[in-house]
This record gives sequence, C-alpha cells and structure tokens, in this order.
Amino acid sequence: GAVVSQHPSRVICKSGTSVKIECRSLDFQATTMFWYRQFPKQSLMLMATSNEGSKATYEQGVEKDKFLINHASLTLSTLTVTSAHPEDSSFYICSLPRGGGSEKLFFGSGTQLSVL
Amino acid sequence: GQQLNQSPQSMFIQEGEDVSMNCTSSSIFNTWLWYKQEPGEGPVLLIALYKAGELTSNGRLTAQFGITRKDSFLNISASIPSDVGIYFCAGGTQGGSEKLVFGKGTKLTVNP
Repeated sequence: GAVVSQHPSRVICKSGTSVKIECRSLDFQATTMFWYRQFPKQSLMLMATSNEGSKATYEQGVEKDKFLINHASLTLSTLTVTSAHPEDSSFYICSLPRGGGSEKLFFGSGTQLSVL
Repeated sequence: GQQLNQSPQSMFIQEGEDVSMNCTSSSIFNTWLWYKQEPGEGPVLLIALYKAGELTSNGRLTAQFGITRKDSFLNISASIPSDVGIYFCAGGTQGGSEKLVFGKGTKLTVNP
C-alpha cells in the first residue's frame, strides 16, 4: 500500500499567491523527508531536506525564503511556495527514506503547480 | 557534483521484446535504485541494489549493481504495453536517510 500521501495533486494559482503542499507519512514516523522538483521531461532535482523539529536544509541555489518547509510532526512535512511566479510552475514531489538503513526513497504522487 | 549518465534517452519497442537500459558514473555509489514514473505521478521503486555485483529480479525486471560500483543496468523481459513510462536510475552514497542522485531517465514506449 501507499507509504506517502501528498496533496494536492494539482494546483492552479495566480501570480503572487502562496501555495502549500502537504506530504504525509502514512505508516511510520519520519524524522526526515525530501522535497524534489521536476520540470517537464527532466529528472528529479533535490530542493531541500525536511528535518522534524528543526530547520530544513536547502540545496545550493534553492531560495529558503521562497520555498518554506515546515516539518512540525513526525508524519507531516509541508512545502509552501511563497509569492508564486510563472517560473515556479513545476511538478513538486516529496519522498521518505525507508529500509533498514533508510536507503530507499518512497515518493508521493506529486503536485503539479501551474502559476498563471 | 556527482552525475549519472543514463542511456538510452528513449526507446521505442514492440510488445514482447526485451529492453535494456543502464546508468554509469565516474563516482562510486553504495546503493543503486531503479524507479518507474508514469505521467503525473511520483516515481515508484522497482528494484534496490546494495552490494557490488548484486543481481536482483522483480518479476520480469532484472537489475545489477556493477562490480566497480559505478554502474547499473535494468533489463525488462517480454515487454507489455503497461511497461510504458520513464525509468530512472538513482545512486546513493550516504549510509542512511538517503540523498539520491538521479539519472535523466529513459522513456520507454511499447507498441502493441
């Protein structure tokens, strides 16, 4: 069954608005979650690592004030795209590490963001 | 940074044919994973490999972790239309809470 639940699956918003995406771990407590971004016909690019109870770790080139991450509980991480612009339009996917050594990543179903 | 070279970029095959795709890197990885992604969905884990030389099967899929730890291949036997999708390889280097490096994907089209 599903390990990760991500909502919403699709968002269309006006430029300047903020959009929140939720990622839930369904069957275990996740101290770490990852947020990826994928442009059409491109691979997945890691944006940030969400850490429960502490600040997220952002990859180089990712604006932390633009992409706010909150991991307030062991089952929920949220990504908020603030003051969205058309260039933020993309497919955003969260993932959870699982396996004995947390070596596998299980992905959410993704959120397609379209900013008009 | 670390990069994975995945090939081919795309494949157009007839139903029933076997498929092979691979990933190579100049860097050493401790884990290799293969994912399949369908349009509008997140990637789904197909096979995970943990040891150099390891050969693992999942139904019609077989993947191997290269001896040098710098490459991996995925084979699909007797392809069917539902095999259509984009296949990504991913390499991991950390011992836990894995940050993966992804290949650029192989888009597979299967003609009935």
